[in-house]
Amino acid sequence: QKEVEQNSGPLSVPEGAIASLNCTYSDRGSQSFFWYRQYSGKSPELIMSIYSNGDKEDGRFTAQLNKASQYVSLLIRDSQPSDSATYLCAVRRNTGNQFYFGTGTSLTVIP
Amino acid sequence: GAGVSQSPSNKVTEKGKDVELRCDPISGHTALYWYRQSLGQGLEFLIYFQGNSAPDKSGLPSDRFSAERTGGSVSTLTIQRTQQEDSAVYLCASFLGGSTDTQYFGPGTRLTVL
Repeated sequence: QKEVEQNSGPLSVPEGAIASLNCTYSDRGSQSFFWYRQYSGKSPELIMSIYSNGDKEDGRFTAQLNKASQYVSLLIRDSQPSDSATYLCAVRRNTGNQFYFGTGTSLTVIP
Repeated sequence: GAGVSQSPSNKVTEKGKDVELRCDPISGHTALYWYRQSLGQGLEFLIYFQGNSAPDKSGLPSDRFSAERTGGSVSTLTIQRTQQEDSAVYLCASFLGGSTDTQYFGPGTRLTVL
């Protein structure tokens, strides 16, 4: 079982819609959760970090964490074509140094 | 500098040759990671440096891979006797450490082994 799993997509949404990206993780001891955006040919950039159960909002982005169900999601409201990218979910355990990354979900926002 | 820098940006080499990849982290960041990203794949952890502590090498795929970090700053990832399966983008990330675990990634080095 992979540490972090994501649906690879591709996920297509029309401009202005809500894009929903999901991620599950295997280690219940995980403490830190991250969403990165990666444009083609570029390096990942951090969008959101979340540490506690519930929702965390930042502009058009909302991260949701449910530790009991071991999933974390990212909602993008009012999706824009510039949001088209691959979104990587990353998890850090409460022990050790590693961050575990999913393989990413490709999102396309159609104008 | 303002961000993490890596060099070279692209490297093409022949199978069997050695390569060195360089990472300059953000000034003051005590922690540094190396990752490998193959086409269409997630990030594969390679090695982690934290201050003066012994590095966590648990992600290095073989003994052909090694890394060092001099003076707690610049890091070099060395791949000896390169193989075609080593072709990937090698990413470096640094973070402040302590209670802060936000990683900042460099632009990466795209390695192609012919």
